[in-house]
Amino acid sequence: GQNIDQPTEMTATEGAIVQINCTYQTSGFNGLFWYQQHAGEAPTFLSYNVLDGLEEKGRFSSFLSRSKGYSYLLLKELQMKDSASYLCAVMDSNYQLIWGAGTKLIIKP
Amino acid sequence: DAGVTQSPTHLIKTRGQQVTLRCSPKSGHDTVSWYQQALGQGPQFIFQYYEEEERQRGNFPDRFSGHQFPNYSSELNVNALLLGDSALYLCASSLERIQREGYEQYFGPGTRLTVT
Repeated sequence: GQNIDQPTEMTATEGAIVQINCTYQTSGFNGLFWYQQHAGEAPTFLSYNVLDGLEEKGRFSSFLSRSKGYSYLLLKELQMKDSASYLCAVMDSNYQLIWGAGTKLIIKP
Repeated sequence: DAGVTQSPTHLIKTRGQQVTLRCSPKSGHDTVSWYQQALGQGPQFIFQYYEEEERQRGNFPDRFSGHQFPNYSSELNVNALLLGDSALYLCASSLERIQREGYEQYFGPGTRLTVT
């Protein structure tokens, strides 16, 4: 079966750095996405990785290791507005998105 | 440039009833995907429409059906509603010709369906 695992909840302090991990087992791989979702709102795109390595975009970076079936999202200089759920999603061999359950990130002052 | 819009925002239905949810894609997009998101869970893929045809389908029963119109807008229909159908229903649009290149899907605000 297809499976995506990420921690249920994480807590971090404003101004700090946090890393959210995602491991996956899917039927094929055509890229991995990270989305941010604030409570009661639609997911918004953060990043896309299809090759191994680190993609940096401002305060957010995403890393992929295809051989390990592993990705992480790194958030730097945390702000209170970063409190949200972070969803990892893998595009499988049918170009269908398989989603994790999301990691709820709580930022404390 | 209008983003993805969905209607209605909220809906309350009774078990056994039928519901129709609507989605208008982002301007210029031709592909619409529907997802069901239960509370505290990630989205679950229901199906995708392109050129007015259902192109892919997730693991959902036939009670879930859809349609895409010539203007690319789409409807999701759910028959014989069950309590377990209560969820946030998300519509996402994209461009078929480049969606395989990592082009992200744009999500609408969702329709919150409550079945009592």
